[in-house]
Amino acid sequence: AQSVTQLDSHVSVSEGTPVLLRCNYSSSYSPSLFWYVQHPNKGLQLLLKYTSAATLVKGINGFEAEFKKSETSFHLTKPSAHMSDAAEYFCVVSDHLDSNYQLIWGAGTKLIIKP
Amino acid sequence: EAGVTQSPTHLIKTRGQQATLRCSPISGHTSVYWYQQALGLGLQFLLWYDEGEERNRGNFPPRFSGRQFPNYSSELNVNALELEDSALYLCASTPEGGGTRTDTHYFGPGSRLT
Repeated sequence: AQSVTQLDSHVSVSEGTPVLLRCNYSSSYSPSLFWYVQHPNKGLQLLLKYTSAATLVKGINGFEAEFKKSETSFHLTKPSAHMSDAAEYFCVVSDHLDSNYQLIWGAGTKLIIKP
Repeated sequence: EAGVTQSPTHLIKTRGQQATLRCSPISGHTSVYWYQQALGLGLQFLLWYDEGEERNRGNFPPRFSGRQFPNYSSELNVNALELEDSALYLCASTPEGGGTRTDTHYFGPGSRLT
């Protein structure tokens, strides 16, 4: 079975500095990988997804992630943090189960932005 | 385009009671997923409905059940409530019909069950 590990439960950065949220996965085949964001009191929203095209994936709000098969990683980055980026971020892998696919969710990383 | 809607926003129950949560997918989406998000944990897959049928269920006891109606809206029922059922219950719909490798989930705001 596939799994997803988000290496940090909390990440704190100052506004204007780079953001790095780390995610490792285990997979026995070519996975699809996603990052979702959950702002306080709002629903989950897709940030970006990797589906076996370009390994560097650009998402909304200036975020991007790079799929590195050799390292089984899919880290999320942003060059300059904004206060509005404060939220919880989930790394997700698509798992093949029976004849269908399901999403396997990481435990989440809470991003804190300091003024 | 209206998003995924869920009701109620909050629900307070007593141990042993039953809870019913409702979800309306985005117009044109036929698949509905239910997830449980307990405090401090990631999302745990509960149920997947497509075209009115249950396609898959997660590792939850049978007292978690649901159904999907002809208009693709869905209901999640939790019987014999236990304290550990307290969580945010999220509903999502997908435009791809569900079960594909590249599914994008569109989430509702959730129903908080206490």
